[in-house]
Amino acid sequence: QVQLQESGPGLVKPSETLSLTCTVSGHSIRSDYHWGWIRQPPGKGLEWIGHISHTGSTYYNPSLTSRVSMSVDTSKSQFSLKLSSVTASDTAVYYCATLGRTFEYSNSWYYFDFWGQGTLVTVSS
Amino acid sequence: DIQMTQSPSSLSASVGDRVTITCRASQSISTYLNWYQQKPGKAPKLLISAASTLQSGVPSRFSGSGSGTDFTLTISSLQREDFATYYCQQSYSSSYTFGQGTNLEI
Repeated sequence: QVQLQESGPGLVKPSETLSLTCTVSGHSIRSDYHWGWIRQPPGKGLEWIGHISHTGSTYYNPSLTSRVSMSVDTSKSQFSLKLSSVTASDTAVYYCATLGRTFEYSNSWYYFDFWGQGTLVTVSS
Repeated sequence: DIQMTQSPSSLSASVGDRVTITCRASQSISTYLNWYQQKPGKAPKLLISAASTLQSGVPSRFSGSGSGTDFTLTISSLQREDFATYYCQQSYSSSYTFGQGTNLEI
């Protein structure tokens, strides 16, 4: 069973860059999987940030694309998120997750099947 | 972006009730629709993928249906552990979106 663990600073200053890492265990990060990030501001709903494939292809939320980047480090079984120029509105619990897939004929259905426990990142001076 | 709208936003129910939550997409998404359950302080849990495929280990009282723009999540007989917030999420486009959530409370 895949296990995910987020890590990174819990406090980031406004205008700086938020950096988080997700460590994967129980599954090869080199496998045909996509790896995603989702966030949840306190008391609010879920927001998809983006995901990255095992080949390095990235897909970002259009509202964040100018500030976000993701990468995979297969040697460490980790994938990472960077969000630049943060403001207070970026304060949230950040989750990493695996993007599972079911396929039939030429169609593929994707879903977030395994999640990390989440890490709260507060943006404040 | 494809907008996902859930209704109701909150719902009061009792143990044993049959409950239905609706999710509507702003355009047709075929069956590219997933449902998640989230309890306070916990990560979301995948319940149903592809609109109606129940995930392994999820009780059979949960079911999903729909295609195109209109989808439903039904809990046939509410149990105490089902009180939580439920989210739909579309994966039709490469820009994923979640519904705003439905808070199911006693």
